[in-house]
Amino acid sequence: RKEVEQDPGPFNVPEGATVAFNCTYSNSASQSFFWYRQDCRKEPKLLMSVYSSGNEDGRFTAQLNRASQYISLLIRDSKLSDSATYLCVVTSTGGFKTIFGAGTRLFVKA
Amino acid sequence: NAGVTQTPKFQVLKTGQSMTLQCAQDMNHEYMSWYRQDPGMGLRLIHYSVGAGITDQGEVPNGYNVSRSTTEDFPLRLLSAAPSQTSVYFCASSDLRGGLAGYNEQFFGPGTRLTVL
Repeated sequence: RKEVEQDPGPFNVPEGATVAFNCTYSNSASQSFFWYRQDCRKEPKLLMSVYSSGNEDGRFTAQLNRASQYISLLIRDSKLSDSATYLCVVTSTGGFKTIFGAGTRLFVKA
Repeated sequence: NAGVTQTPKFQVLKTGQSMTLQCAQDMNHEYMSWYRQDPGMGLRLIHYSVGAGITDQGEVPNGYNVSRSTTEDFPLRLLSAAPSQTSVYFCASSDLRGGLAGYNEQFFGPGTRLTVL
């Protein structure tokens, strides 16, 4: 079993739709959680950190459920520019080893 | 600031050849790391460093060496290239202020696309 698992998609949604991604992790001692965004053939860039209390940044909301060991990302009012691969990232105890999920592809269509 | 830079952008090697992928950052970050990205696998950590003179292995270190003689540079050496090392390689850096590196944003370079024939 992979340490971090994501549905690879693709998710095909119309502009304006709400879409949600989940990610599960296997190490219950994991300390930090992030969502990164990666455009085609580009480097990953931080989208947002994920906190136990949940956090929101504009149209994006991230949640962490430690009991069930999953994190989620909700995108509201999808834009064409949201089309990308979204990477779930988990950092182990100690803080130096980061595990990336394989990513979920999102296509937003006009 | 240039951020994280990587050279070369593309490279083709023959099996058995050696080469060094260069990575440099100008943000004075203590933490630097190398990942490889393969289709369906996500990014996998090869090696990382928490400062000059300190390196450690990640998830997939075999076939790769690293060294960290300065804060700015973190080269990755392929000792004897194999077709299984065909991949996209990303270098990343992060500072250690406010806690351990894993708690902070990682900044990635543009990647090196390596093909081993």
